[in-house]
Amino acid sequence: EPEVTQTPSHQVTQMGQEVILRCVPISNHLYFYWYRQILGQKVEFLVSFYNNEISEKSEIFDDQFSVERPDGSNFTLKIRSTKLEDSAMYFCASRGQGMAGELFFGEGSRLTVL
Amino acid sequence: AQKVTQAQTEISVVEKEDVTLDCVYETRDTTYYLFWYKQPPSGELVFLIRRNSFDEQNEISGRYSWNFQKSTSSFNFTITASQVVDSAVYFCALSEAQISNDYKLSFGAGTTVTVRA
Repeated sequence: EPEVTQTPSHQVTQMGQEVILRCVPISNHLYFYWYRQILGQKVEFLVSFYNNEISEKSEIFDDQFSVERPDGSNFTLKIRSTKLEDSAMYFCASRGQGMAGELFFGEGSRLTVL
Repeated sequence: AQKVTQAQTEISVVEKEDVTLDCVYETRDTTYYLFWYKQPPSGELVFLIRRNSFDEQNEISGRYSWNFQKSTSSFNFTITASQVVDSAVYFCALSEAQISNDYKLSFGAGTTVTVRA
């Protein structure tokens, strides 16, 4: 069964460092998402991406964050200068055309900022 | 305002008891989708069930069943004969169409279920 894969599964970084989280969505999917879950809290929407551009972003997704699909398969989330409060589990998700509302999630990348 | 409310923060049961998780949602859309996800201690999000707003038929899938009632905007989820492996955080989620013609999931705060042997 096709799945969304994320790397790394866990990354520890120093405050102020840049971090790139990588995702390989399901191959024929067209819509891509990043969600975030701070430990013990609910899962929050960050950004959605379609047709090589951001279709929607939340207020969490400030100038420190960026997304891109550099090679047609990977979908990356970059945090330019990490802060302590960026420590969270980051989930990538994808959706196929016509699969209204049904997102397929990866297993998550846990980011720890020290 | 919360789009998805899970009033129960934690539920603790003994194995083989049934567990019902409550979910109340808020939307102005006529077309929307409701989901339940399970998050075990390992952290991944596991899809459990999906329902669209036009289908209020309640079903049973193995030990899982759900009760979708549009009149009360509720989408409750029941685990029958719970097992220790059911211990996890359960999230209810609402998917609504956006102006961008995309969909966005809004999650509830989650209910932590602990099943004791």
